[in-house]
Amino acid sequence: AQSVTQLGSHVSVSEGALVLLRCNYSSSVPPYLFWYVQYPNQGLQLLLKYTTGATLVKGINGFEAEFKKSETSFHLTKPSAHMSDAAEYFCAVTPSNSGGYQKVTFGTGTKLQVIP
Amino acid sequence: DTGVSQDPRHKITKRGQNVTFRCDPISEHNRLYWYRQTLGQGPEFLTYFQNEAQLEKSRLLSDRFSAERPKGSFSTLEIQRTEQGDSAMYLCASSLGPEKLFFGSGTQLSVL
Repeated sequence: AQSVTQLGSHVSVSEGALVLLRCNYSSSVPPYLFWYVQYPNQGLQLLLKYTTGATLVKGINGFEAEFKKSETSFHLTKPSAHMSDAAEYFCAVTPSNSGGYQKVTFGTGTKLQVIP
Repeated sequence: DTGVSQDPRHKITKRGQNVTFRCDPISEHNRLYWYRQTLGQGPEFLTYFQNEAQLEKSRLLSDRFSAERPKGSFSTLEIQRTEQGDSAMYLCASSLGPEKLFFGSGTQLSVL
């Protein structure tokens, strides 16, 4: 079984400030972890993913996330927020066992507001 | 790559009516997922197909919900005897593996 907890349903930052969106996961096997972004009136799109290898992963638009196994966390960061980053962000998890079916489970989302 | 297409974009129906949604995945993708999203919540898993086989259906789903994927291409999701609690955005996604899901824009269902 797997689950995702996103702390903070709404986060506000000033333009140019650090963005930090928190995600903790639970998984009975080593996980694959994802961040998806949903812009207003658009479908979800993949921002970045961790599967294996380097624990610090970089995604589109300057976002990055670090997989910390000891903390069961996968927090999303961006050094400097831009107005265009305003969107809803979803953390997701799936078990990494190879082959077969793997269900992707999503968190409840964090809505990011960027204040000019 | 034309993306995942969902039809219709919006559906308004009266309680008790049946509705059917269609999803056309990216052509080479063998995996197809249906999710449901309500306001303030993340996508909630409904069901999953690998090719034409339905491999999992959420226990949260009542028998009023059924999905098919004939010939492993497009998929349909039918809701019978709709209830107001069925009002939500229904999302379809497709993929070659779990590493990246491609989502459609969704079908917004309103049950009056």
